[in-house]
Amino acid sequence: KQEVTQIPAALSVPEGENLVLNCSFTDSAIYNLQWFRQDPGKGLTSLLLIQSSQREQTSGRLNASLDKSSGRSTLYIAASQPGDSATYLCAAFLIGGATNKLIFGTGTLLAVQP
Amino acid sequence: GAVVSQHPSWVICKSGTSVKIECRSLDFQATTMFWYRQFPKQSLMLMATSNEGSKATYEQGVEKDKFLINHASLTLSTLTVTSAHPEDSSFYICSCEKGQGRGEQYFGPGTRLTVT
Repeated sequence: KQEVTQIPAALSVPEGENLVLNCSFTDSAIYNLQWFRQDPGKGLTSLLLIQSSQREQTSGRLNASLDKSSGRSTLYIAASQPGDSATYLCAAFLIGGATNKLIFGTGTLLAVQP
Repeated sequence: GAVVSQHPSWVICKSGTSVKIECRSLDFQATTMFWYRQFPKQSLMLMATSNEGSKATYEQGVEKDKFLINHASLTLSTLTVTSAHPEDSSFYICSCEKGQGRGEQYFGPGTRLTVT
């Protein structure tokens, strides 16, 4: 059974700092790995999607890496801003079995202090 | 991009009543839609996978007779919480898959259900 965990559960940093969020998954047979952002009481915003054959994806100040063999992904946020404050979720997409599905991690609550 | 809407955005109902939540893909067709539930300070848990024109596949521990899912068209899926109880109070989020089987899911804004 695929399990996805995220460390740390919460993180508070001063504005301008670079930071790394960690995601680990137990089954390396993933189709892709996605990072999402969720603001309080809101739905999800997709940030980055890394296919299983890729090592990393970049979008603006965000960079996500994927190491399937070790079951890890990281989300790097450069020059953090107060507007980056949110919960960040990683999710592993699995194919096979009865249905294809996204398995979500436990989330990291990020607070960027002005 | 791809836009997914949910209606209503929030609903309060009395215990024992039923509530219907709609999920629509506005600018693309979605053969597969997913329903998730999120309790406070917890992550999203997949409840069921809905394929257009066929019965939904429910995750272990999710009562199919309590959470009725209908996916009658390529742009609309509904989740009906029947005989709601306070423990059903949660944030329900749907997603629509674009590009069948490739894992590109686009999420709705969620529906906050409170059962009193």
